[in-house]
Amino acid sequence: GAVVSQHPSWVICKSGTSVKIECRSLDFQATTMFWYRQFPKQSLMLMATSNEGSKATYEQGVEKDKFLINHASLTLSTLTVTSAHPEDSSFYICSARTQGESEKLFFGSGTQLSVL
Amino acid sequence: QKEVEQNSGPLSVPEGAIASLNCTYSDRGSQSFFWYRQYSGKSPELIMFIYSNGDKEDGRFTAQLNKASQYVSLLIRDSQPSDSATYLCAASNSGYALNFGKGTSLLVTP
Repeated sequence: GAVVSQHPSWVICKSGTSVKIECRSLDFQATTMFWYRQFPKQSLMLMATSNEGSKATYEQGVEKDKFLINHASLTLSTLTVTSAHPEDSSFYICSARTQGESEKLFFGSGTQLSVL
Repeated sequence: QKEVEQNSGPLSVPEGAIASLNCTYSDRGSQSFFWYRQYSGKSPELIMFIYSNGDKEDGRFTAQLNKASQYVSLLIRDSQPSDSATYLCAASNSGYALNFGKGTSLLVTP
C-alpha cells in the first residue's frame, strides 16, 4: 500500500515552545492531507484538512493560529503546534488520500506529543 | 451531524473463532467505508474498504455493507491472538475526510 511518513515519532517539550510535525507521502502525490488528533482510548478527531497551495480548512473548535498547517508541495504537509501547553499533549496523526477509482486513506505512523 | 457508531467492547473471542465487529453510520451520503486496525500507541492500519452493498472477502477478513440499513460489519475468521487490537470503522462522503467511530476493542484469547 501507499506509504505516508511522519516525523518525529515522539517529542517531549516544555510548555510555551513550538513543535513542528512533518508528514510526507512517499510514493504518491497527495493534494489533500488530513491531520487528526487522538486522546487515549478515544477515536481519531479530525483537526484540519490541508490543501496543497492553499489555506487549510479547520474543524470547528480547532484554533488555526495555534495549529499552523502548511502544505507546501504535493508530498509534504507540516503541522506546527505553537506555544504548546500540557493540554495539547496527544497523539497526532497525519493521513493522505490516494486518488483514482479506489480512493483510500493511509496514515502516517503518528507523533506522540508530551508537553511538560 | 455525521456519526459513526461502534460498540466499544471489549469483544472477547477464543482463538480460532469468528469475530464479528459491527458499525452503523448516520450520513446517507456516505459512499466509502473502511475498517482500520489500531494497536495501542500505534497509528491505524487499513484492513479493508468496501463501496458496494454485499460482501467483500480478503483472506480471513470479510466486510459486509448494507446501505439501506446503514450498517457495516467486519468478520474475522480463525481469529488469532495477534488480531487483538482496536478496530475502527470509518465512513466517507467521497472527497471529504473520513468520519471515524470510537472503535471496538477485540481480545482474542489463546
